Amino acid sequence: NAGVTQTPKFQVLKTGQSMTLQCAQDMNHNSMYWYRQDPGMGLRLIYYSASEGTTDKGEVPNGYNVSRLNKREFSLRLESAAPSQTSVYFCASRGGVGQPQHFGDGTRLSIL
Amino acid sequence: LAKTTQPISMDSYEGQEVNITCSHNNIATNDYITWYQQFPSQGPRFIIQGYKTKVTNEVASLFIPADRKSSTLSLPRVSLSDTAVYYCLVGDLNNAGNMLTFGGGTRLMVKP
Repeated sequence: NAGVTQTPKFQVLKTGQSMTLQCAQDMNHNSMYWYRQDPGMGLRLIYYSASEGTTDKGEVPNGYNVSRLNKREFSLRLESAAPSQTSVYFCASRGGVGQPQHFGDGTRLSIL
Repeated sequence: LAKTTQPISMDSYEGQEVNITCSHNNIATNDYITWYQQFPSQGPRFIIQGYKTKVTNEVASLFIPADRKSSTLSLPRVSLSDTAVYYCLVGDLNNAGNMLTFGGGTRLMVKP
């Protein structure tokens, strides 16, 4: 039972490079989310997709784009990486009304 | 968005009961209260969720007073493996588009 799978687990980029973080869930969930977590802090929502075909901005969307490729997959793209985007990125999914979110184990991204 | 306030850290000993309280004074009528646990280098893991009164599952209990302005997560007989960060979230789970805000969490240290 894989749940929410994120790839890659680690990545180092140079400033200005682009990168796509992948997320897939096998629980047939409708909603998917991307968060970032900076050291010693809670998670902040970047973008979410309430259902297949829709995406919306969260709390900190600047510098990111997302694609809900199908019901299973939700990707996060950094077009021109900046050091301020060094963080751990978590993807989550949720099944439906009243259900909690299920999280992947994160992608650790360092931008030099 | 309902803001939550938790203690930054707590210490306990193995075998003790631990109670972590979360304040959410501006909780809305449709908001649920959800608690997550996070270990280093892992994504948050769902522990328990409730709307009012008391909820119990195999790992924890959640106490919510009538005014719902606070909630208490109770962990019975903690062990060293319960050392983690615990997050309280408040939000409307009936709407997949609603953002759930993570606060800074409570760092629980369980000592032998």
